[in-house]
Order: sequence, then C-alpha cells, then structure tokens
Amino acid sequence: SYVLTQPPSVSVAPGKTANITCGGNNIGRISVHWYQQKSGQAPVVVITYDSDRPSGIPERFSGSNSGNTATLTISRVEAGDEADYYCQVWDRTSGHHVLFGGGTKLTVL
Amino acid sequence: EVQLLESGGGSVQPGGSLRLSCAASGFRFSSFAMSWVRQAPGKGLEWVSVMSGSESGTDYADSVKGRFTITRDKSKSTLFLQMNSLRVEDTAVYYCAKGRDLGLSGFFDYWGQGTLVTVSS
Repeated sequence: SYVLTQPPSVSVAPGKTANITCGGNNIGRISVHWYQQKSGQAPVVVITYDSDRPSGIPERFSGSNSGNTATLTISRVEAGDEADYYCQVWDRTSGHHVLFGGGTKLTVL
Repeated sequence: EVQLLESGGGSVQPGGSLRLSCAASGFRFSSFAMSWVRQAPGKGLEWVSVMSGSESGTDYADSVKGRFTITRDKSKSTLFLQMNSLRVEDTAVYYCAKGRDLGLSGFFDYWGQGTLVTVSS
C-alpha cells in the first residue's frame, strides 16, 4: 500500500521559513492536502490540491508538489504557527482509502 | 455556519460495541461525503471510514474492516459509526469530517471536536 513519509519534527526561528515535506512514490501525480492541528484542537485544512489556500488561511502558507515530494512552506513563521502538520492523499491503489502522513511537529524557537 | 457535533464515545471493554453519532448542520448533508478519522492518544491522524453523499460508495481502513459500519440518516443529517468487536488499539478520539465533494475524493473542509473512545479491561 501507499506510504506517506513526513519528518517527525521541524524547528524554525520566528520570522524564518519552515519547509515541511511529505514523501511518497510519484506523489507529484496525485493531489496533496495539508492540515494544521494545534494542541487539543481539531485539524484545520491549510493547503488543498497541492498549492491552493482556503479562505482565511494567511498568504504565508504555500504548497508545492513534484516528483516524490510534496512540500508545505510557511514563510515568516510566527509563534502561533506552532502545531502538528499532516499531509493527506487518496490512495487509489487500495480502493478509496484516505491516507495521512505521520505528522510533523513544528516548533517555533 | 457548518457544525459537526459528535457523541456516543465512552469506555468499553474489549470485545464490546459502541455507536458514534455526528449531527451535522449548516450545509446540505446529502451533497457531501462524510468520513470518520481517529487519533490515538499522542499519535497521528488515522482515517477510519468514508461514505459518499449519495450513499453509493463506502470504504473502510483495513484495521476496522469487518468490525465497523458507517451509515448516515439524511432525514436527520446525522452520520453514524457502529463499532463492534472493539480492541484496545481502537482507543482514540474519533472525529467526524465533512468532505469537500459528493464523491470519494478531495479534502476535509470541516471537522467536529471529536469524541473519545476508550477500550480497556
């Protein structure tokens, strides 16, 4: 079955740029969605279809997807961005399964 | 305003059953796929099951297939998850999530706050 691989943690200083990756075999051929989950809260979608930003999500959040890696980029990181981030795809190789990456904890130093 | 309100969680012994409910409001319930996603304590998100808006398509994670059943009541705008033969590893917060589309694709644009299921002897 398809596997999504995320780094367990990423640390970044305020004002800098954070890149969170999501690796998968030929992931560039499928759509990737990204969620932010702050402690004790439900997830919120921050990027859809690789690079679209839903209404209300700051322009600092962007996404890309090519080859074997999708990337969520957070520019000018703020303390409030500290959260767990998950990538999500639909795995058509095993029916209509939804697949989440293992999650990345973003720490703002 | 879209709202998803889960209920039905609680503590149960291994082998027991629970039925979760998700009351939806603020959107046309029959026009969107709905899913259950769970999160074990301190762990990541794990998708559990999905049903299309037309109810023609359903799917389950391998970890719950044959034990869990997803249904929906259009007249009450409510999604259900019948969980049988529960195992310790089913312990998690269970979220109800609204799909962006009618069919089995896309992303989840709204989530409930979750209901905790604890399976323990």
